Amino acid sequence: DIQMTQSPASLSASLGETVTIECLASEDIYDILAWYQQKPGKSPQLLIYDASSLHTGVPSRFSGSGSGTQYSLKINSLQPEDFASYYCQNGLSAPRTFGAGTKLELK
Amino acid sequence: EVQLVESGGGLVQPGRSMKLSCAASGFTFNNYDMAWVCQAPKKGLEWVATISYDGSSTYYRDSVKGRFTISRDNAKSTLYLQMDSLRSEDTATYYCARHYYDGTYYYWYFDFWGPGTMVTVSS
Repeated sequence: DIQMTQSPASLSASLGETVTIECLASEDIYDILAWYQQKPGKSPQLLIYDASSLHTGVPSRFSGSGSGTQYSLKINSLQPEDFASYYCQNGLSAPRTFGAGTKLELK
Repeated sequence: EVQLVESGGGLVQPGRSMKLSCAASGFTFNNYDMAWVCQAPKKGLEWVATISYDGSSTYYRDSVKGRFTISRDNAKSTLYLQMDSLRSEDTATYYCARHYYDGTYYYWYFDFWGPGTMVTVSS
């Protein structure tokens, strides 16, 4: 199985800051990677797919990049609604594993 | 508006069965592959199973193969998950999720999720 290692596990930041979350795959996943946002008590929402494509309706302050085994999610100018957990997901091969998540908290 | 609403969760004893349902609306259900994804309490997300748009193909994670069965009724726009021989480690919130489809390709990403239904396996 492809393992997805996210870092950091938690992150504190202030409003207006820019943050980056990393995701490392145990093997090349050829940009077949998604990022999700999950708020407490809510279901996940798709933010980014194919490593860098913004899903419909997602604000442009979110961006994804990377290739091979290394990927990142960048959030510019943090807004109050961005404080949540974020997960990467391997979309290439079974069992389509998710990373363990990064909890973004308000400093 | 796309809506997915799960039902059927609750408390069940180890070794027993439970069937989850997911009612879909707001889109052409029989055009989309569908999935179940679970999340144990305070834990991360795990893909459980996927069924193709027409029900002809199914896929499972190894830990549920032979115990869980995903199915769908396109006439009723409803997705199901039959869970047999339940174990304590199956305790989780189960989400119904729609596979992303751009009109040409089906992707192994999930673009809409239901609110989830909690399954607790305990004696």
